[in-house]
Amino acid sequence: KAGVTQTPRYLIKTRGQQVTLSCSPISGHRSVSWYQQTPGQGLQFLFEYFSETQRNKGNFPGRFSGRQFSNSRSEMNVSTLELGDSALYLCASSLTEGAGTDTQYFGPGTRLTVL
Amino acid sequence: QKEVEQDPGPLSVPEGAIVSLNCTYSNSAFQYFMWYRQYSRKGPELLMYTYSSGNKEDGRFTAQVDKSSKYISLFIRDSQPSDSATYLCAMVETGGGNKLTFGTGTQLKVEL
Repeated sequence: KAGVTQTPRYLIKTRGQQVTLSCSPISGHRSVSWYQQTPGQGLQFLFEYFSETQRNKGNFPGRFSGRQFSNSRSEMNVSTLELGDSALYLCASSLTEGAGTDTQYFGPGTRLTVL
Repeated sequence: QKEVEQDPGPLSVPEGAIVSLNCTYSNSAFQYFMWYRQYSRKGPELLMYTYSSGNKEDGRFTAQVDKSSKYISLFIRDSQPSDSATYLCAMVETGGGNKLTFGTGTQLKVEL
């Protein structure tokens, strides 16, 4: 069974640009969550989608947005990039919308560098 | 103050040692507790999951939860060089869906 895939794996952008990252969950999984990982803040929750609906949102500015398609694939978008947005962006998929008991499987991440 | 505190390390131990990794938390709504392992340039992978106070064992790994003290631990017995990684504790609130709140991670190195 294929794992969670994320594209692209590496990305370099300049301040002010926007970026779109993609995540394909494990086949059959309907929930996708996004996290930002930085050396200073660690892993922080961005948002969670289930059946194309945003179920949960973390404490990030509106420049961070996401969506989920009918095939469960998800994209996240960051507009007006700032230097502080440089991070590893991780996607996790799970079978259901969760009750704390559903295992989340992480992809390898997209490393975003903002110059 | 962060909701979940974890000693960042780095922690260096000799092969065969018992490793103890710890997290404390302040949010009483956290009811589900996980330990993830993350190798360099990889995404985190789930090691242990528990939701009740007490111990849970899986091979060389034991997860311990003390809800009264808001304290969780992961013990690794007979540590191996392949255990060298960053270990992250994570928690979910009741009704929190799939939102994981992570500790900052402890970097572990097991030396020959």
